[in-house]
Amino acid sequence: EPEVTQTPSHQVTQMGQEVILRCVPISNHLYFYWYRQILGQKVEFLVSFYNNEISEKSEIFDDQFSVERPDGSNFTLKIRSTKLEDSAMYFCASSEGRVAPGELFFGEGSRLTVL
Amino acid sequence: AQKVTQAQTEISVVEKEDVTLDCVYETRDTTYYLFWYKQPPSGELVFLIRRNSFDEQNEISGRYSWNFQKSTSSFNFTITASQVVDSAVYFCAHTGGFKTIFGAGTRLFVKA
Repeated sequence: EPEVTQTPSHQVTQMGQEVILRCVPISNHLYFYWYRQILGQKVEFLVSFYNNEISEKSEIFDDQFSVERPDGSNFTLKIRSTKLEDSAMYFCASSEGRVAPGELFFGEGSRLTVL
Repeated sequence: AQKVTQAQTEISVVEKEDVTLDCVYETRDTTYYLFWYKQPPSGELVFLIRRNSFDEQNEISGRYSWNFQKSTSSFNFTITASQVVDSAVYFCAHTGGFKTIFGAGTRLFVKA
């Protein structure tokens, strides 16, 4: 069964460092998303991406964040200068279509710990 | 703006009891989708069901059933004859446009 894969599963970094989280969406999906979940809290929307550009982003997704689809398979989330409050589980997701998005297929998450 | 409210933070039941998880949403979208996801202790998000705003038919899948009522903006989820393996956090979510908003989740404990 096709699945969304994320790497790394866990990353520990120092405050102020840059972090790149990687995702490989399901191959025929067109819409890609990043969500985050601070430990014990709700899943929060960060950004959606379609046709090589951001289609929507939340207020959390400030200038410290960027997304990119550098090739035909990867979808990355970069945090330029990490802060303590960026510590969270980051979920990548993909979906088939816009009109009937179906469910979001989530990866297993990348846990980011900022020290 | 979209908003999803899951008023029950935690529910604890004994195995074989039925349990209903509530979800109320607010939206300005005329076309939207509602979802339930399960997050077991291992942390991944597991899709359970999708409903679009034009389909108010209730659905049953095994021990799971969903009651969508547009008039009250609710999309409740019932587990019949709960089992220990049902213990998880359950999230209700709303999709309008490119954004899916999740509720705060309901943590369900099922005791043997």
